[in-house]
Amino acid sequence: DAKTTQPNSMESNEEEPVHLPCNHSTISGTDYIHWYRQLPSQGPEYVIHGLTSNVNNRMASLAIAEDRKSSTLILHRATLRDAAVYYCIPYSGNTPLVFGKGTRLSVIA
Amino acid sequence: DVKVTQSSRYLVKRTGEKVFLECVQDMDHENMFWYRQDPGLGLRLIYFSYDVKMKEKGDIPEGYSVSREKKERFSLILESASTNQTSMYLCASTSSLGPNYGYTFGSGTRLTVV
Repeated sequence: DAKTTQPNSMESNEEEPVHLPCNHSTISGTDYIHWYRQLPSQGPEYVIHGLTSNVNNRMASLAIAEDRKSSTLILHRATLRDAAVYYCIPYSGNTPLVFGKGTRLSVIA
Repeated sequence: DVKVTQSSRYLVKRTGEKVFLECVQDMDHENMFWYRQDPGLGLRLIYFSYDVKMKEKGDIPEGYSVSREKKERFSLILESASTNQTSMYLCASTSSLGPNYGYTFGSGTRLTVV
């Protein structure tokens, strides 16, 4: 499994954009980059995934570096409901998802 | 809205009891998983299943077994509950094992063994 490095915690003001970084320098060519988040007292929730190109959906945007050794999850306007632990996971599908420690995002009103 | 439903949100059991944690998904997914989550240790995979009646051990299967008699239901069994099995248990499913598919998780069962 590719090793990931994420900040332990980040803080954002409400209504402002948030950029959550992830380093995955040992990612293999077949790994997609998945992001999940876990709200307090809930199970993880799929957010977005991509392989090489940047991706957008209703929840977030994913920016992937050209060398694929890092990626950034972008929340365009953070709300209090976005306070959660965010996990970045390189995933090939060959084995089940492996979760690291993630980044705990706090959103300040 | 597609769902993974875990039968209990909170459960308190006594040491030595046999405990069943039930998980049902309504998405016709082939693949189902059980994780446990503990502070400081993150999510760890206990067992998973790629099809009815089949199971695979995850990273921490000791003290657990599973049952998958129907496609939609995946049960986690604690044969003889111990206090070190006090944890949050999370069930997940996915339609395909390909890297282009995400997992859907249930809300979790917080089990306390006393």
